[in-house]
Amino acid sequence: GQNIDQPTEMTATEGAIVQINCTYQTSGFNGLFWYQQHAGEAPTFLSYNVLDGLEEKGRFSSFLSRSKGYSYLLLKELQMKDSASYLCAVRDPLALIFGKGTTLSVSS
Amino acid sequence: KAGVTQTPRYLIKTRGQQVTLSCSPISGHRSVSWYQQTPGQGLQFLFEYFSETQRNKGNFPGRFSGRQFSNSRSEMNVSTLELGDSALYLCASSWPLGQKNTEAFFGQGTRLTVV
Repeated sequence: GQNIDQPTEMTATEGAIVQINCTYQTSGFNGLFWYQQHAGEAPTFLSYNVLDGLEEKGRFSSFLSRSKGYSYLLLKELQMKDSASYLCAVRDPLALIFGKGTTLSVSS
Repeated sequence: KAGVTQTPRYLIKTRGQQVTLSCSPISGHRSVSWYQQTPGQGLQFLFEYFSETQRNKGNFPGRFSGRQFSNSRSEMNVSTLELGDSALYLCASSWPLGQKNTEAFFGQGTRLTVV
């Protein structure tokens, strides 16, 4: 079966650091993706991990542990515009399977 | 380079009708996937087409079907519409010719309302 879990909602303040966790159980694994989706807009690609470890891209970092079926997205120096839904997705291997998303609210 | 284009953007249909949604992928991308997004269920995988062949299908009833043309454009069809089919339908393209497959690029979606 396929199961991708992430928290439903998170809140944080401007300038803070937030970590969004994702655990997965899938029949295959060809990489893990994080997407950002603002209300009423299409999801946009943030990061991709296929090997264990940390991938850093500016204020955003993503970590993967394949043996634990675990990933996290780290957002630093939070800004109001980071308020959005963050989607964890696993390529399994022909389809990209998504979790239900984590809605992040950033307040001043 | 043009992005993924979905038409129409908004659609209102009556129960029992059928609907066809269209997706034009990024030029050179060979794979098109379709997703249904609802507030309670998130993004749910419908099916994926690659070079005109359906390679994978999600857990949706047979009323949901699709196809891909030789130019990689794709259509999905929903017959005998039900109220529960109201959702945002997203199309994603990936797998550029001659390149390693990485991220999928999404279109703006078609917002379908069934009344």
